Amino acid sequence: EAQVTQNPRYLITVTGKKLTVTCSQNMNHEYMSWYRQDPGLGLRQIYYSMNVEVTDKGDVPEGYKVSRKEKRNFPLILESPSPNQTSLYFCASSNRAAGGSPLHFGNGTRLTVT
Amino acid sequence: DQQVKQNSPSLSVQEGRISILNCDYTNSMFDYFLWYKKYPAEGPTFLISISSIKDKNEDGRFTVFLNKSAKHLSLHIVPSQPGDSAVYFCAASANSGGSNYKLTFGKGTLLTVNP
Repeated sequence: EAQVTQNPRYLITVTGKKLTVTCSQNMNHEYMSWYRQDPGLGLRQIYYSMNVEVTDKGDVPEGYKVSRKEKRNFPLILESPSPNQTSLYFCASSNRAAGGSPLHFGNGTRLTVT
Repeated sequence: DQQVKQNSPSLSVQEGRISILNCDYTNSMFDYFLWYKKYPAEGPTFLISISSIKDKNEDGRFTVFLNKSAKHLSLHIVPSQPGDSAVYFCAASANSGGSNYKLTFGKGTLLTVNP
């Protein structure tokens, strides 16, 4: 089954404790991206990757890192999480970096930072 | 500056009637528009899209209309069903020149279809 898999689904952590949210897709997509969803703000892009070893900042990259060492994986790293990073996070992928190819989303990771 | 606006946070309709969800945009470079549906505890799923070279696209019960001069698009669901109850996100992208495939999303509209 074609899918984007995020882990974990739920995560509660404390301020300053490094964490990684994993994302993997099995569709051989070139393009991958991370979004966060917050009440009243919709979905905002954190980082994106056009291909392996190519990443760039989205609209709200502060406090986050990503890497794209393999085509299928695109982990989101929070080196020193803070309470304002409490949010619902979505990883997404697409089979084209440009053009009208819909994004496929994972089921989300709900992160709480205390 | 919000480039994609969904001004109605929520909409309630009766089963069998038409649901109309609206979206406005400000960036004239946007040339591709999509609607996503999101159920609780799931990621958004693609519903329907439209290119700026068209003014209408239809897929079963779902039709998207684009008015470029007004920078406005709408999603029509006819007839509405209780299973359509979800949050609907409007999204837009500017794809010319092969630039970053970045989708800009609206804040979403919660649709409730009452039996």
